[in-house]
Amino acid sequence: AQSVTQLDSQVPVFEEAPVELRCNYSSSVSVYLFWYVQYPNQGLQLLLKYLSGSTLVKGINGFEAEFNKSQTSFHLRKPSVHISDTAEYFCAVSDLVQGAQKLVFGQGTRLTINP
Amino acid sequence: EAGVTQSPTHLIKTRGQQATLRCSPISGHTSVYWYQQALGLGLQFLLWYDEGEERNRGNFPPRFSGRQFPNYSSELNVNALELEDSALYLCASSPYLETQYFGPGTRLLVL
Repeated sequence: AQSVTQLDSQVPVFEEAPVELRCNYSSSVSVYLFWYVQYPNQGLQLLLKYLSGSTLVKGINGFEAEFNKSQTSFHLRKPSVHISDTAEYFCAVSDLVQGAQKLVFGQGTRLTINP
Repeated sequence: EAGVTQSPTHLIKTRGQQATLRCSPISGHTSVYWYQQALGLGLQFLLWYDEGEERNRGNFPPRFSGRQFPNYSSELNVNALELEDSALYLCASSPYLETQYFGPGTRLLVL
């Protein structure tokens, strides 16, 4: 079964600094990768996704992620964060083996932006 | 375009009661998914419906059940509520086997 590991449970960063949120997944033949963001007391919003093609994926709000098959990683980056980026970020993998369409999520990374 | 909607936003029940949560998918989406986000347990897959049929089920007991209606909306029913069922229940929708988009969730509190 697929699993996702988000290596940092909390990441504090100063405003306008760069940030990287790390995500590793267990290997599979066919896998789609996603990053979702959850603002306080809200549902999940899709930031970006990797389905195929270019390994560098750009998303909303200035975020991007790089798919690295050899390292089974999908790290999320932003060159300059804003206070409004304070939220919890979830990495997820969709495993299409046997048509079992479901998302497997990491435990989440809480990003805190300090002024 | 309207997003995924869920009702109610909050639900308070006592142990042993039944809870019914509702979800309306994005127009044109045939699949509906349910996830549980419980404190300390993260986001866990519950159920997947497509075209009115249950396609996949997570590791939850049978007292978690649901259905999908002809208009693709869905209900999640939780019978014999237990304290540990307290959680945020998230619904997502998608076209078949495509990207999932989430609703705002229903926060269930079991007393």
